[in-house]
Amino acid sequence: NAGVMQNPRHLVRRRGQEARLRCSPMKGHSHVYWYRQLPEEGLKFMVYLQKENIIDESGMPKERFSAEFPKEGPSILRIQQVVRGDSAAYFCASSPSVDSGETQYFGPGTRLLVL
Amino acid sequence: GQSLEQPSEVTAVEGAIVQINCTYQTSGFYGLSWYQQHDGGAPTFLSYNALDGLEETGRFSSFLSRSDSYGYLLLQELQMKDSASYFCAVNIPYNNNDMRFGAGTRLTVKP
Repeated sequence: NAGVMQNPRHLVRRRGQEARLRCSPMKGHSHVYWYRQLPEEGLKFMVYLQKENIIDESGMPKERFSAEFPKEGPSILRIQQVVRGDSAAYFCASSPSVDSGETQYFGPGTRLLVL
Repeated sequence: GQSLEQPSEVTAVEGAIVQINCTYQTSGFYGLSWYQQHDGGAPTFLSYNALDGLEETGRFSSFLSRSDSYGYLLLQELQMKDSASYFCAVNIPYNNNDMRFGAGTRLTVKP
């Protein structure tokens, strides 16, 4: 059973470009979470999605950031008009459809560098 | 909202025991989770407490006191490979899997 997959692992963008980060959850998981982590800091919650629904986006900036988890295909975190402050590691996690109450499984992360 | 507090750094020697504390404030609470993250790696799940008391998993144990809004991670027989960051996280409503993380404790194990 493949784990959570994220691509790309590293992404370099110039200021003003768009960044698209992809996350494929573990097989059978329909809950996806996105986190941002700055160097030497903790994981900051951004958004929680179920298939075709955004459940909680309280941690995501209102402008330039959007997320989706379509019925088919991976979850996408999209950052428009990137700025240097967007440079960070972005982790995706998934959890099972039923309430396990225990575990989110994390992907390897995407390291975004904005020049 | 939620807030979690844990020490920023802890240093210990091989073979020792170390306790990493976590206090939390949250408007909703299902349980407390612990994750380990090595430099450049992804967080990996260590343990989860939904009820008061101690949960033991090999060299690692985790404790929760809901009345005190407090928990800790206990690492025994420390090894060099345990050097990593450790995060506590509260499981909150929406469903049991929704979590918010503390800032992390960086553990350094010395020979």
